[in-house]
Amino acid sequence: QKEVEQDPGPLSVPEGAIVSLNCTYSNSAFQYFMWYRQYSRKGPELLMYTYSSGNKEDGRFTAQVDKSSKYISLFIRDSQPSDSATYLCAMRGAGGTSYGKLTFGQGTILTVHP
Amino acid sequence: KAGVTQTPRYLIKTRGQQVTLSCSPISGHRSVSWYQQTPGQGLQFLFEYFSETQRNKGNFPGRFSGRQFSNSRSEMNVSTLELGDSALYLCASSLADRAGEKLFFGSGTQLSVL
Repeated sequence: QKEVEQDPGPLSVPEGAIVSLNCTYSNSAFQYFMWYRQYSRKGPELLMYTYSSGNKEDGRFTAQVDKSSKYISLFIRDSQPSDSATYLCAMRGAGGTSYGKLTFGQGTILTVHP
Repeated sequence: KAGVTQTPRYLIKTRGQQVTLSCSPISGHRSVSWYQQTPGQGLQFLFEYFSETQRNKGNFPGRFSGRQFSNSRSEMNVSTLELGDSALYLCASSLADRAGEKLFFGSGTQLSVL
């Protein structure tokens, strides 16, 4: 079983919809949680970064972390066609063995159609 | 501020050859990490360098190696290429040496092994 599980989708929504993306994980040592967006033929772009449990909002994006349930979410409000991409959750621990090392989910392919 | 720069963007090699990929981190960033991305396995951590020293390593065979120079630029080498090495190789840089630092990715080098 993978340390981080993410539904690969694909997910298709109409423009303006609220999108919910989720990941579950098994390693209780993870303390930093990220969401990356990756367009075709590009590298991952950091969208949201959260330490430990709680919510974080940035414009149309909200990240939630529930460490007790080992569950993280990304919500996209008022989705736009330009949000069409692959969304990757990633996480890491805090110790020396975590230097540079992110553990990624498989990625969810999102399409927002006009 | 320029982002992470990876060269070349595309490479075609044949089995048994070796290849060297290059990465220039964001100015001021001293940590460089390398990842392999494939459709089947997703993003997997290869290794991380800080101040010319490898501090962390993923579960890849010894054919995969890297180094970092005094200006923080990094190279990754794969020897005796196999068909399964075909992948997008991504480099990421971060500012300092704390485990919680944010990682910023380049656009990657797409390697095809024939």
